[in-house]
Amino acid sequence: SQTIHQWPATLVQPVGSPLSLECTVEGTSNPNLYWYRQAAGRGLQLLFYSVGIGQISSEVPQNLSASRPQDRQFILSSKKLLLSDSGFYLCAWSPGEAPRETQYFGPGTRLLVL
Amino acid sequence: RKEVEQDPGPFNVPEGATVAFNCTYSNSASQSFFWYRQDCRKEPKLLMSVYSSGNEDGRFTAQLNRASQYISLLIRDSKLSDSATYLCVVNFISSGSARQLTFGSGTQLTVLP
Repeated sequence: SQTIHQWPATLVQPVGSPLSLECTVEGTSNPNLYWYRQAAGRGLQLLFYSVGIGQISSEVPQNLSASRPQDRQFILSSKKLLLSDSGFYLCAWSPGEAPRETQYFGPGTRLLVL
Repeated sequence: RKEVEQDPGPFNVPEGATVAFNCTYSNSASQSFFWYRQDCRKEPKLLMSVYSSGNEDGRFTAQLNRASQYISLLIRDSKLSDSATYLCVVNFISSGSARQLTFGSGTQLTVLP
């Protein structure tokens, strides 16, 4: 069966510091991968998605970036965090080919920028 | 106008009650529809897909009206464990060919003893 991992689970970082969040998927090949952010009391906002290694699409211009160095690895980064980057970051995967595919979420990383 | 709109609630209902959530979506090209459940401080988890003919999974019934661009979720015989936020989710094919999901902000349900 497929599993999705995210780390760290929680993170407290000062403004201006760098960020690296990692997501890995097991048990599937060539998944679509997604990064979302959920601010407190709000809905999920799609940040990035990837249909393959090295292929990244950005949905919202911001100081975050994403990379996919391996088929089942997705990384979210920032060079300098802002206070507004605080939130719950969720990685998700979906099968590449299924026409009615849904997305499956990792446990998330809770980020607090101070 | 939001792409997916839900009544945020909160809905506070007694155990055993029947509760219904509604959702409207704006993109007529949307292809697939889902209800997710999100517990406090946890990730969203798929509750059920929503099919054109309507579908049922135990105490949960989902309906889709494409003409009105409307989705519903009915929960019968509510349990305490049903307390969560219910997210209405719609997908479409993006220009990059990945299926993108658009999430509603969620409807909060609390089932009271």
